[in-house]
Amino acid sequence: DQQVKQNSPSLSVQEGRISILNCDYTNSMFDYFLWYKKYPAEGPTFLISISSIKDKNEDGRFTVFLNKSAKHLSLHIVPSQPGDSAVYFCAAASGYSTLTFGKGTMLLVSP
Amino acid sequence: DSGVTQTPKHLITATGQRVTLRCSPRSGDLSVYWYQQSLDQGLQFLIQYYNGEERAKGNILERFSAQQFPDLHSELNLSSLELGDSALYFCASSVVGQGGAGELFFGEGSRLTVL
Repeated sequence: DQQVKQNSPSLSVQEGRISILNCDYTNSMFDYFLWYKKYPAEGPTFLISISSIKDKNEDGRFTVFLNKSAKHLSLHIVPSQPGDSAVYFCAAASGYSTLTFGKGTMLLVSP
Repeated sequence: DSGVTQTPKHLITATGQRVTLRCSPRSGDLSVYWYQQSLDQGLQFLIQYYNGEERAKGNILERFSAQQFPDLHSELNLSSLELGDSALYFCASSVVGQGGAGELFFGEGSRLTVL
């Protein structure tokens, strides 16, 4: 049973436009959410996180939004760049639990 | 470079065989985590060790086992291998004992192919 769902396996965006990656979760106990980025032949790397006490966290071109009532979070990348092309994993945890990851969304940013 | 080292990077073996994957965590990190990524699957948590002791267990098969040594490196042992065990196996490390509140640093993974 997938507690963290990324329903879009892939997303294509043009350079300069906004990329929006979505993630839904089912476990209402999750209180910490992270996004990881993964390039081919590399391990995932941490991108940005958000605690459940916030509804938005911003870091440069990356912003994560959390809607607790809808159990939904999204990652916005503005403006998108070709170097952002990668697989993005959403992850969640409750308290001191280990991270639960989604299946990932492959983002392709074309010039 | 995350500072987490995994060996081997690639491994091809036959069904029924046994393999060992090795992980050296970042300097100073006490926790080691093992994740499996199969085709079309996300990162499935297998097991976590903290300072030599098992801390949390996920979807790890009985045919798989792991340990963390006094020097904090970890090994994941996969035995009686089946075709379905073909996957990318990632090791991650963190400073804290509980992974939920902290960032995980991942190695580049070990790609296992079972023929």
